[in-house]
Amino acid sequence: EVVMTQSPVTLSVSPGESATLSCRASQSISTNLAWYQLKLGQAPRLLIYGASTRATGIPARFSGSRSGTEFTLTISSLQSEDFALYYCQQYNTWATFGGGTKVEIK
Amino acid sequence: QLVESGGGLGQPGGSLRLSCAASGFSFSSYAMSWVRRAPEKGLEGVAVIGASGDSSYYVDSVKGRFTISRDNSKNTLYLQMNSLRVEDMATYYCAKPIWGLVIDALDVWGQGTVVTVSS
Repeated sequence: EVVMTQSPVTLSVSPGESATLSCRASQSISTNLAWYQLKLGQAPRLLIYGASTRATGIPARFSGSRSGTEFTLTISSLQSEDFALYYCQQYNTWATFGGGTKVEIK
Repeated sequence: QLVESGGGLGQPGGSLRLSCAASGFSFSSYAMSWVRRAPEKGLEGVAVIGASGDSSYYVDSVKGRFTISRDNSKNTLYLQMNSLRVEDMATYYCAKPIWGLVIDALDVWGQGTVVTVSS
Protein backbone atom coordinates (compact mmCIF):
# COMPACT_ATOMS: atom_id res chain seq x y z
CA GLU A 1 0.00 0.00 0.00
CA VAL A 2 1.21 3.47 -0.87
CA VAL A 3 1.19 5.66 2.23
CA MET A 4 0.44 9.35 1.73
CA THR A 5 1.71 11.74 4.39
CA GLN A 6 0.32 15.27 4.50
CA SER A 7 1.79 18.22 6.35
CA PRO A 8 1.08 20.29 8.26
CA VAL A 9 -1.99 18.90 10.02
CA THR A 10 -3.28 22.43 10.58
CA LEU A 11 -2.30 25.60 8.74
CA SER A 12 -3.34 29.00 10.11
CA VAL A 13 -3.44 31.64 7.40
CA SER A 14 -4.83 35.16 7.13
CA PRO A 15 -7.21 35.95 4.27
CA GLY A 16 -5.28 37.24 1.27
CA GLU A 17 -2.14 35.31 2.17
CA SER A 18 -0.87 32.19 0.44
CA ALA A 19 -0.99 28.65 1.78
CA THR A 20 1.35 25.79 0.90
CA LEU A 21 0.22 22.25 1.63
CA SER A 22 2.51 19.23 1.27
CA CYS A 23 1.91 15.59 0.49
CA ARG A 24 4.57 12.88 0.36
CA ALA A 25 4.16 9.43 -1.19
CA SER A 26 5.95 6.43 0.31
CA GLN A 27 6.93 5.27 -3.18
CA SER A 28 6.87 6.51 -6.74
CA ILE A 29 3.39 7.33 -8.03
CA SER A 30 4.38 9.26 -11.14
CA THR A 31 1.90 12.14 -11.49
CA ASN A 32 -1.11 10.10 -10.34
CA LEU A 33 -1.97 12.53 -7.55
CA ALA A 34 -5.15 14.45 -6.87
CA TRP A 35 -6.10 17.13 -4.36
CA TYR A 36 -9.57 17.53 -2.87
CA GLN A 37 -11.29 20.17 -0.77
CA LEU A 38 -13.76 19.03 1.86
CA LYS A 39 -16.24 21.14 3.76
CA LEU A 40 -18.41 19.33 6.29
CA GLY A 41 -21.90 18.68 4.98
CA GLN A 42 -20.81 19.19 1.39
CA ALA A 43 -19.59 16.92 -1.35
CA PRO A 44 -15.80 16.74 -1.62
CA ARG A 45 -14.49 18.81 -4.52
CA LEU A 46 -11.73 17.75 -6.91
CA LEU A 47 -9.23 20.58 -7.24
CA ILE A 48 -6.21 19.12 -8.99
CA TYR A 49 -5.51 15.87 -10.84
CA GLY A 50 -2.41 14.63 -12.60
CA ALA A 51 -0.46 16.46 -9.88
CA SER A 52 -0.84 19.85 -11.59
CA THR A 53 -3.98 20.02 -13.77
CA ARG A 54 -6.82 22.09 -12.37
CA ALA A 55 -10.21 20.43 -12.51
CA THR A 56 -13.09 22.08 -14.33
CA GLY A 57 -14.20 25.31 -12.70
CA ILE A 58 -11.35 25.51 -10.20
CA PRO A 59 -9.95 29.04 -9.79
CA ALA A 60 -6.42 29.77 -10.94
CA ARG A 61 -5.34 30.57 -7.36
CA PHE A 62 -5.15 26.80 -6.82
CA SER A 63 -2.01 25.20 -8.25
CA GLY A 64 -0.28 21.87 -7.86
CA SER A 65 3.30 20.77 -8.37
CA ARG A 66 5.49 17.71 -8.03
CA SER A 67 9.09 17.00 -7.14
CA GLY A 68 9.72 13.26 -7.14
CA THR A 69 7.43 11.84 -4.50
CA GLU A 70 6.75 15.24 -2.94
CA PHE A 71 3.64 17.09 -4.01
CA THR A 72 2.50 20.60 -3.19
CA LEU A 73 -0.84 22.37 -3.35
CA THR A 74 -0.52 26.15 -3.30
CA ILE A 75 -3.47 28.41 -2.69
CA SER A 76 -2.58 31.99 -3.46
CA SER A 77 -4.49 34.89 -1.95
CA LEU A 78 -6.80 32.83 0.27
CA GLN A 79 -10.47 33.68 0.06
CA SER A 80 -12.99 33.08 2.84
CA GLU A 81 -14.41 30.07 1.02
CA ASP A 82 -10.98 28.40 0.91
CA PHE A 83 -10.85 27.68 4.63
CA ALA A 84 -11.54 23.95 4.66
CA LEU A 85 -9.99 20.49 4.82
CA TYR A 86 -7.68 19.39 2.02
CA TYR A 87 -6.73 15.84 1.11
CA CYS A 88 -4.29 14.40 -1.37
CA GLN A 89 -4.96 11.05 -3.04
CA GLN A 90 -2.69 8.81 -5.05
CA TYR A 91 -4.28 6.73 -7.78
CA ASN A 92 -1.22 4.94 -9.11
CA THR A 93 -2.34 1.75 -7.39
CA TRP A 94 -5.30 1.13 -5.07
CA ALA A 95 -6.25 4.69 -4.21
CA THR A 96 -5.08 5.93 -0.84
CA PHE A 97 -5.53 9.32 0.76
CA GLY A 98 -3.39 11.45 3.01
CA GLY A 99 -4.48 12.32 6.53
CA GLY A 100 -5.57 15.80 5.53
CA THR A 101 -4.62 19.41 6.25
CA LYS A 102 -7.03 21.82 7.86
CA VAL A 103 -6.62 25.37 6.59
CA GLU A 104 -8.00 27.70 9.23
CA ILE A 105 -8.33 31.43 9.63
CA LYS A 106 -5.46 33.00 11.54
CA GLN B 1 -25.00 14.32 -9.82
CA LEU B 2 -24.76 11.64 -7.19
CA VAL B 3 -27.24 11.23 -4.33
CA GLU B 4 -26.61 8.71 -1.56
CA SER B 5 -29.22 7.21 0.72
CA GLY B 6 -29.62 4.36 3.15
CA GLY B 7 -27.43 5.52 6.00
CA GLY B 8 -28.61 5.43 9.57
CA LEU B 9 -28.18 3.49 12.75
CA GLY B 10 -26.91 -0.06 12.51
CA GLN B 11 -26.12 -2.44 15.33
CA PRO B 12 -22.74 -4.11 15.69
CA GLY B 13 -22.99 -7.30 13.66
CA GLY B 14 -25.94 -5.91 11.76
CA SER B 15 -26.44 -4.81 8.17
CA LEU B 16 -27.17 -1.70 6.16
CA ARG B 17 -27.52 -1.14 2.43
CA LEU B 18 -26.43 2.13 0.91
CA SER B 19 -27.62 3.37 -2.47
CA CYS B 20 -26.29 6.04 -4.79
CA ALA B 21 -28.48 7.42 -7.58
CA ALA B 22 -26.52 8.83 -10.50
CA SER B 23 -27.63 11.32 -13.13
CA GLY B 24 -26.09 13.62 -15.71
CA PHE B 25 -23.51 11.21 -17.13
CA SER B 26 -23.36 7.85 -18.84
CA PHE B 27 -23.37 5.77 -15.66
CA SER B 28 -22.79 2.43 -17.37
CA SER B 29 -19.53 3.71 -18.90
CA TYR B 30 -17.85 4.52 -15.59
CA ALA B 31 -16.38 2.53 -12.75
CA MET B 32 -17.74 3.78 -9.43
CA SER B 33 -16.33 4.05 -5.92
CA TRP B 34 -17.42 4.25 -2.32
CA VAL B 35 -15.21 6.38 -0.07
CA ARG B 36 -15.74 7.00 3.65
CA ARG B 37 -14.63 9.47 6.27
CA ALA B 38 -14.80 8.45 9.91
CA PRO B 39 -15.30 11.22 12.49
CA GLU B 40 -12.12 13.28 12.90
CA LYS B 41 -10.29 11.01 10.47
CA GLY B 42 -9.22 11.10 6.84
CA LEU B 43 -10.78 9.78 3.68
CA GLU B 44 -10.55 6.06 2.91
CA GLY B 45 -11.40 4.25 -0.28
CA VAL B 46 -13.78 1.41 0.61
CA ALA B 47 -14.76 -0.31 -2.61
CA VAL B 48 -14.64 0.08 -6.38
CA ILE B 49 -16.66 -1.62 -9.11
CA GLY B 50 -15.97 -1.76 -12.81
CA ALA B 51 -18.32 -0.20 -15.33
CA SER B 52 -20.02 -3.45 -16.25
CA GLY B 53 -20.05 -4.75 -12.69
CA ASP B 54 -17.81 -7.72 -13.51
CA SER B 55 -14.94 -6.60 -11.29
CA SER B 56 -14.82 -5.23 -7.77
CA TYR B 57 -12.13 -4.36 -5.27
CA TYR B 58 -12.19 -3.69 -1.53
CA VAL B 59 -10.01 -2.24 1.18
CA ASP B 60 -8.75 -5.05 3.41
CA SER B 61 -10.80 -3.94 6.44
CA VAL B 62 -14.14 -4.60 4.69
CA LYS B 63 -13.30 -7.66 2.59
CA GLY B 64 -15.80 -10.44 3.19
CA ARG B 65 -18.24 -8.07 4.91
CA PHE B 66 -19.14 -5.43 2.31
CA THR B 67 -20.35 -5.98 -1.24
CA ILE B 68 -20.40 -3.31 -3.93
CA SER B 69 -22.83 -3.74 -6.80
CA ARG B 70 -24.59 -1.72 -9.44
CA ASP B 71 -27.72 -1.73 -11.57
CA ASN B 72 -26.89 0.06 -14.78
CA SER B 73 -30.54 -0.06 -15.89
CA LYS B 74 -31.40 2.06 -12.84
CA ASN B 75 -28.22 4.19 -12.79
CA THR B 76 -27.72 3.13 -9.20
CA LEU B 77 -24.72 2.01 -7.15
CA TYR B 78 -25.05 -0.03 -3.96
CA LEU B 79 -22.99 -0.96 -0.94
CA GLN B 80 -24.25 -3.88 1.13
CA MET B 81 -22.67 -3.64 4.56
CA ASN B 82 -22.83 -6.78 6.71
CA SER B 83 -21.24 -7.67 10.05
CA LEU B 84 -21.02 -4.00 10.91
CA ARG B 85 -18.32 -2.88 13.31
CA VAL B 86 -17.99 0.29 15.36
CA GLU B 87 -15.04 1.24 13.17
CA ASP B 88 -17.35 1.30 10.12
CA MET B 89 -19.05 4.39 11.51
CA ALA B 90 -18.45 7.16 8.98
CA THR B 91 -19.90 9.36 6.29
CA TYR B 92 -20.02 7.30 3.11
CA TYR B 93 -19.63 8.98 -0.25
CA CYS B 94 -20.12 7.59 -3.70
CA ALA B 95 -17.82 9.04 -6.32
CA LYS B 96 -17.29 8.96 -10.07
CA PRO B 97 -13.83 8.61 -11.65
CA ILE B 98 -12.79 11.41 -13.96
CA TRP B 99 -11.83 9.10 -16.85
CA GLY B 100 -14.02 6.16 -15.92
CA LEU B 101 -11.22 3.93 -14.69
CA VAL B 102 -11.23 1.65 -11.65
CA ILE B 103 -8.23 3.54 -10.25
CA ASP B 104 -8.60 7.24 -11.01
CA ALA B 105 -9.08 10.72 -9.62
CA LEU B 106 -12.69 11.27 -8.53
CA ASP B 107 -14.38 14.30 -10.06
CA VAL B 108 -17.99 13.96 -8.95
CA TRP B 109 -19.01 13.12 -5.39
CA GLY B 110 -22.26 12.84 -3.55
CA GLN B 111 -22.91 14.73 -0.33
CA GLY B 112 -22.60 11.57 1.69
CA THR B 113 -24.78 9.44 3.93
CA VAL B 114 -23.97 8.94 7.59
CA VAL B 115 -23.63 5.46 9.04
CA THR B 116 -23.71 5.09 12.82
CA VAL B 117 -22.91 1.77 14.44
CA SER B 118 -24.05 1.41 18.00
CA SER B 119 -26.01 -0.94 20.21
